[in-house]
Amino acid sequence: EPEVTQTPSHQVTQMGQEVILRCVPISNHLYFYWYRQILGQKVEFLVSFYNNEISEKSEIFDDQFSVERPDGSNFTLKIRSTKLEDSAMYFCASRGFNSPLHFGNGTRLTVT
Amino acid sequence: DQQVKQNSPSLSVQEGRISILNCDYTNSMFDYFLWYKKYPAEGPTFLISISSIKDKNEDGRFTVFLNKSAKHLSLHIVPSQPGDSAVYFCAASASYNAGKSTFGDGTTLTVKP
Repeated sequence: EPEVTQTPSHQVTQMGQEVILRCVPISNHLYFYWYRQILGQKVEFLVSFYNNEISEKSEIFDDQFSVERPDGSNFTLKIRSTKLEDSAMYFCASRGFNSPLHFGNGTRLTVT
Repeated sequence: DQQVKQNSPSLSVQEGRISILNCDYTNSMFDYFLWYKKYPAEGPTFLISISSIKDKNEDGRFTVFLNKSAKHLSLHIVPSQPGDSAVYFCAASASYNAGKSTFGDGTTLTVKP
């Protein structure tokens, strides 16, 4: 069964550094998402992406965050200058028309 | 503002018995509800969904019930199996924006052999 893949599985970075989290959504899906889960908290929506542009973003998704679909297969989340509070599991998800979200296994981001 | 609440952080049941996981929501705009299952070190996996035009949806051992007037839904697993042990998340969305889901805190289900 096709799946969403995320790399790396764990990323450690220093505060103030830029990180790029990578995702390969399911190939025939059209809608792409990033969610995050801070340890002990709920899964939160960050951003949705469709037709090569952001369709919606949450208040968490400030100017430090950006997303890109640089080619036909990858979908990336960039955090320009990481803060301690950005430490979380970041989940990429994709879906087709009228289908539920398919999540990747996540990237654990640790900001020190 | 907790728009989706799962009031039981954990639930333990015996193998073969029924597991009932509950979820409440407050936002009247939600009309599409999902349950996800999550194992450690994995992402959430879609389990079952229900639209607000229905009050019940069944898929094998899993049934979701929706009570719109009470803004309450529940997931029934019967019979429960040890492999069902996982964290279960209730999620809600507006059907016009189905990918933007609001998640509950999750309930950890343990099924004892």
